[in-house]
Amino acid sequence: QVQLVESGGGLVKPEGSLRLSCAASGFIFSDYYMSWIRQSPGKGLEWIAYIEDSGGNMFYADSVKGRFTISRDNAKNSLFLQMNGLRAEDTAIYYCARERMTVARLFDSWGQGTLVTVSS
Amino acid sequence: DIVMTQSPDSLAVSLGERATINCKSSRSVLYSSNNKNYLAWYQQKPGQPPKLLISWASTRESGVPDRFSGSGSGTDFTLTISSLQAEDVAVYYCQQYYSTPQTFGPGTKVEVK
Repeated sequence: QVQLVESGGGLVKPEGSLRLSCAASGFIFSDYYMSWIRQSPGKGLEWIAYIEDSGGNMFYADSVKGRFTISRDNAKNSLFLQMNGLRAEDTAIYYCARERMTVARLFDSWGQGTLVTVSS
Repeated sequence: DIVMTQSPDSLAVSLGERATINCKSSRSVLYSSNNKNYLAWYQQKPGQPPKLLISWASTRESGVPDRFSGSGSGTDFTLTISSLQAEDVAVYYCQQYYSTPQTFGPGTKVEVK
């Protein structure tokens, strides 16, 4: 069955960096677009980035553009999110999510999430 | 960006009774070329990630009980739980996937009265 397991969250100071990982299994990872979505008490669910199946194209929400970078390693069935210049408002649970094949931005599988806390 | 709103913020329903959640988009999410509404509903139980329940405004995912139904078109949508069960206690979110950035509603919390 489809499994997505995030890791790499933790406590980081403002302006710090963190790299999240998502290990995928149970499906052909290289066939699917993938996204990162975050959830905070103040802002609810917020999509922040997606990457196409080949890794050739990425797209970001305005709130993270220029600070976050999404990438993938299809050989290792892994998705990444490099987060730089972290701010208090980036505090959230970060989920990786699979997009349904041929239906952009419809999220049919989600990981359990990893908590990122930005605080001094 | 398309803004999604939901009402009510929360509702308490007796077991076996109907629960109705409304979702409104700031612009139509009906794609005229295929006559499909790019609207999904998710269920999130405490401590779990969201789970896709319904896509295309009214198509249930495999394994989703038929007491869940979605309706609506254009900018106004409804999720109905026809007979609330204890396991349906959750927060329900609508999401448009018509345009990027895809956006979610703020959620509706469903509890047992």
